[in-house]
Amino acid sequence: AQSVTQLGSHVSVSEGALVLLRCNYSSSVPPYLFWYVQYPNQGLQLLLKYTTGATLVKGINGFEAEFKKSETSFHLTKPSAHMSDAAEYFCAVSGINQGGKLIFGQGTELSVKP
Amino acid sequence: DARVTQTPRHKVTEMGQEVTMRCQPILGHNTVFWYRQTMMQGLELLAYFRNRAPLDDSGMPKDRFSAEMPDATLATLKIQPSEPRDSAVYFCASGLGMTGRDEQYFGPGTRLTVT
Repeated sequence: AQSVTQLGSHVSVSEGALVLLRCNYSSSVPPYLFWYVQYPNQGLQLLLKYTTGATLVKGINGFEAEFKKSETSFHLTKPSAHMSDAAEYFCAVSGINQGGKLIFGQGTELSVKP
Repeated sequence: DARVTQTPRHKVTEMGQEVTMRCQPILGHNTVFWYRQTMMQGLELLAYFRNRAPLDDSGMPKDRFSAEMPDATLATLKIQPSEPRDSAVYFCASGLGMTGRDEQYFGPGTRLTVT
């Protein structure tokens, strides 16, 4: 079985500060890991994903995430927050032989203060 | 710019009425997912299809929900009869393949309010 835990349902940072959104997963098969972003009144949009290879993955809008197998983590970071980063962020896990299904975490709402 | 479309974007209905939501997946995508999003439960997978065949609908309340793909360009989610607890945003997503590596492309959602 697979599951995802996102630590912190709300995170608030100042504009220009580091963004760190935490995601831990459990999986009985090698995981494929995703971060999606949801802006108000919109659907989810892929930020980045890890499948195999390099464990540091770069995505859109300056975000990156690092897959750490030993820590079962896939935390999302951005060096400098922008007001436009305010949104809800979802971590998700899948794996081979899972039929293409994604298991989502509960989401973390990011607020950016001027 | 290919995208998933959903209609209607908003629906307000009274308890007991039938609700039908429609989704047009991205052309060429062979997998369609239906999700429900609420504050309490977050994102829940209701059902999904591959090549128009239902693969898993274990997330759906069977007595009132049904999902179909009449053709490759249309997926429908029906609730009959609707109840206030069905109030949520319903998302359709489409994608390719079944390896688990592939991105899902989400539509803008249908916001359902049942009074």
